[in-house]
Amino acid sequence: NAGVTQTPKFQVLKTGQSMTLQCAQDMNHEYMSWYRQDPGMGLRLIHYSVGAGITDQGEVPNGYNVSRSTTEDFPLRLLSAAPSQTSVYFCASSQGFEQYFGPGTRLTVT
Amino acid sequence: DAKTTQPNSMESNEEEPVHLPCNHSTISGTDYIHWYRQLPSQGPEYVIHGLTSNVNNRMASLAIAEDRKSSTLILHRATLRDAAVYYCILRTPLWSGAGSYQLTFGKGTKLSVIP
Repeated sequence: NAGVTQTPKFQVLKTGQSMTLQCAQDMNHEYMSWYRQDPGMGLRLIHYSVGAGITDQGEVPNGYNVSRSTTEDFPLRLLSAAPSQTSVYFCASSQGFEQYFGPGTRLTVT
Repeated sequence: DAKTTQPNSMESNEEEPVHLPCNHSTISGTDYIHWYRQLPSQGPEYVIHGLTSNVNNRMASLAIAEDRKSSTLILHRATLRDAAVYYCILRTPLWSGAGSYQLTFGKGTKLSVIP
């Protein structure tokens, strides 16, 4: 199993640009989520999904959209990038108590 | 929101036991206590979790106070590979239905292991 994969690993955007961070898992997990981690901080929940077709907001959802058309994929869209969205983004999946995290996408918005 | 408090950093000698403390005085009855660790430039990795009773697994032990307001992660013999940031986290059910929950991360404890 590849586990949880994320692309790209690094991205630089200009303010106002949009982009999609990709996340995929091959473990057939129903629960998937997106977190952001700012320097020296813990992770904060952006959006989550309990299954295909079902998504909901987490702690810091503003400026981000998600959709879940398949069990495997859970993309995160930045609508209009802002410098405050400079962060490391982690996708995770779980089927029970243990969450499996991807390697992260480091995003810089200039 | 329920939150956790941990020391910013701790040091341990290699092959010695390590006790990482965590306070969670506002924990509610439905919150599970989880521990994750994060190595540099990697995503967090699950370590252990519990609700009320002490727990053991191949990686660590979790000791939970009787009033559940604190817990301690125990690494029985620290190795250099255990050097990481350790997060004590509360797993809180969310209102949007069965199976939905939030992991509330704090800043964690940076563990250094001295050879």
